[in-house]
Amino acid sequence: DTAVSQTPKYLVTQMGNDKSIKCEQNLGHDTMYWYKQDSKKFLKIMFSYNNKELIINETVPNRFSPKSPDKAHLNLHINSLELGDSAVYFCASSQDQAVFSPLHFGNGTRLTVT
Amino acid sequence: KNQVEQSPQSLIILEGKNCTLQCNYTVSPFSNLRWYKQDTGRGPVSLTIMTFSENTKSNGRYTATLDADTKQSSLHITASQLSDSASYICVVSGAGGGADGLTFGKGTHLIIQP
Repeated sequence: DTAVSQTPKYLVTQMGNDKSIKCEQNLGHDTMYWYKQDSKKFLKIMFSYNNKELIINETVPNRFSPKSPDKAHLNLHINSLELGDSAVYFCASSQDQAVFSPLHFGNGTRLTVT
Repeated sequence: KNQVEQSPQSLIILEGKNCTLQCNYTVSPFSNLRWYKQDTGRGPVSLTIMTFSENTKSNGRYTATLDADTKQSSLHITASQLSDSASYICVVSGAGGGADGLTFGKGTHLIIQP
């Protein structure tokens, strides 16, 4: 049973296109996140939702828009893709926002913009 | 500026040997420190979470230590196995302790050779 699943696993597209990445968790967690892992391997938080409400919105271009239809889903839509958007995007969830809630990550979506 | 630095950047050891990975941080105020294992093409998986009052925590063959005074942590792997080949990421949680206060290290890429 996959705890945090995201689709697609690979996404190759051209500059200027619009694309979406979907994420679902079956752990019953309240909080979900999107992280970006760039070529230098640093993981950076982009967004955090708690019970469908936006909690964290880091300095991310407004071309990126998260949507949470329910607390088990957090999708990421990206408009007007740019070369610099190429990275691996990870969805994650945690029980809640408490201090010691470990993050459960999906297996990532490798986005390549050409 | 909050930073997490890990060393070595990469490490190759023979199967069955022990190894120790290092993590130094400048995150302040400090809440907790986490170690994650990231297999190639997969999302990070939590190994340990430690608060400032804990100086050691084990998870099977993985033992993490924390010195909150010197702001250093280490991850010791005993009797390494081929499946230990992965990147190990040190993550420090600052103010609030939640995901919004996480600072990620770049990871140590560990290769176990038969």
